[in-house]
Amino acid sequence: DAKTTQPNSMESNEEEPVHLPCNHSTISGTDYIHWYRQLPSQGPEYVIHGLTSNVNNRMASLAIAEDRKSSTLILHRATLRDAAVYYCILRVIQGAQKLVFGQGTRLTINP
Amino acid sequence: EAQVTQNPRYLITVTGKKLTVTCSQNMNHEYMSWYRQDPGLGLRQIYYSMNVEVTDKGDVPEGYKVSRKEKRNFPLILESPSPNQTSLYFCASRAGTGGSGELFFGEGSRLTVL
Repeated sequence: DAKTTQPNSMESNEEEPVHLPCNHSTISGTDYIHWYRQLPSQGPEYVIHGLTSNVNNRMASLAIAEDRKSSTLILHRATLRDAAVYYCILRVIQGAQKLVFGQGTRLTINP
Repeated sequence: EAQVTQNPRYLITVTGKKLTVTCSQNMNHEYMSWYRQDPGLGLRQIYYSMNVEVTDKGDVPEGYKVSRKEKRNFPLILESPSPNQTSLYFCASRAGTGGSGELFFGEGSRLTVL
């Protein structure tokens, strides 16, 4: 199964951009790249997803490498509310449908 | 309000006493799934369902059963719970069965098996 690799933790300052990296070197051509985050004591929540092209939404941007072996979640202006564990996930759609969760990156935002 | 509702949110039980964790969604979603979250192991999929009467195993199905008799409900059944099933459980749902689309997660059910 394709897997993702993320740094265990990252730290940033409030109102600064944050770039969260994810490596997925064994990704297959039809796997979608999803990002979710989990705030303390809550279930994961959707952030963004993409297949090949870069994507933007009101929460974040997703930059996908041309070879699709890595991606970066970009929070343009971090707030204290963005402190969470961020998961980079591959949506495997061939064969069994399942999500392959990485270990996640714990993001700390300093005031 | 669109939501995935799990019950109970917290449960302490004893080994061997059958229990069911219910999951209900009000978004008419086809796809539903159960995950467990353990320290150091992250989120792992237990079972998923593509639609009514269609279920399949995820990565860690041993010791669990599921059913999907109605579109909105996807209960997780532990026939004979054991201490290694002590975990935080999440139910999730999504519209459609393709590769894209947002997964909506419930708030979690923390289960302790003594």
